[in-house]
Amino acid sequence: DSGVTQTPKHLITATGQRVTLRCSPRSGDLSVYWYQQSLDQGLQFLIQYYNGEERAKGNILERFSAQQFPDLHSELNLSSLELGDSALYFCASGRGATEQFFGPGTRLTVL
Amino acid sequence: ELKVEQNPLFLSMQEGKNYTIYCNYSTTSDRLYWYRQDPGKSLESLFVLLSNGAVKQEGRLMASLDTKARLSTLHITAAVHDLSATYFCAAEASNDHKLSFGAGTTVTVRA
Repeated sequence: DSGVTQTPKHLITATGQRVTLRCSPRSGDLSVYWYQQSLDQGLQFLIQYYNGEERAKGNILERFSAQQFPDLHSELNLSSLELGDSALYFCASGRGATEQFFGPGTRLTVL
Repeated sequence: ELKVEQNPLFLSMQEGKNYTIYCNYSTTSDRLYWYRQDPGKSLESLFVLLSNGAVKQEGRLMASLDTKARLSTLHITAAVHDLSATYFCAAEASNDHKLSFGAGTTVTVRA
């Protein structure tokens, strides 16, 4: 157990819908990273937050957004969902320039 | 952009034999990580390599890093069935700490 929690574990929804994925970092970690794992794209970095502020952006679609709240939990919002958005979404946390620890992931299925 | 290439992508191992997985990355990186992923599960951290010449060992797995060649290797000694999984290497970008992952090596150990 890495200490990073993600909810929900599984999410099944329809195309065009919007969902929110939640991540709670390890105690004391200020950084939260979001990654997407899909069969065709592999593991891709989406976005990073550090103490509430966006730090880095990767291959994140405009339909996706994220934020980190004062209590340091983070949410990833996915809207206008398409079939191709079906993937495992991982959150990782760390303390700046230290190792990242991964949560259990949220499996999103878009039908 | 930091690119990571991993090979082979698939590795069928015979129990008791030794094998190596290779990981090349394109530009300077602060850290090199090795992760293990079982089907449908999260990423389990195996090794973090910080400097040139770093070597770390845990059980039958040994990882090394050559920063001049931008190459890391994961060596498996006397493979056993429990090592069947997908192994990922990831390089950490110096400026924003985001991880760039290789495509993964799916390892199957047969008797």
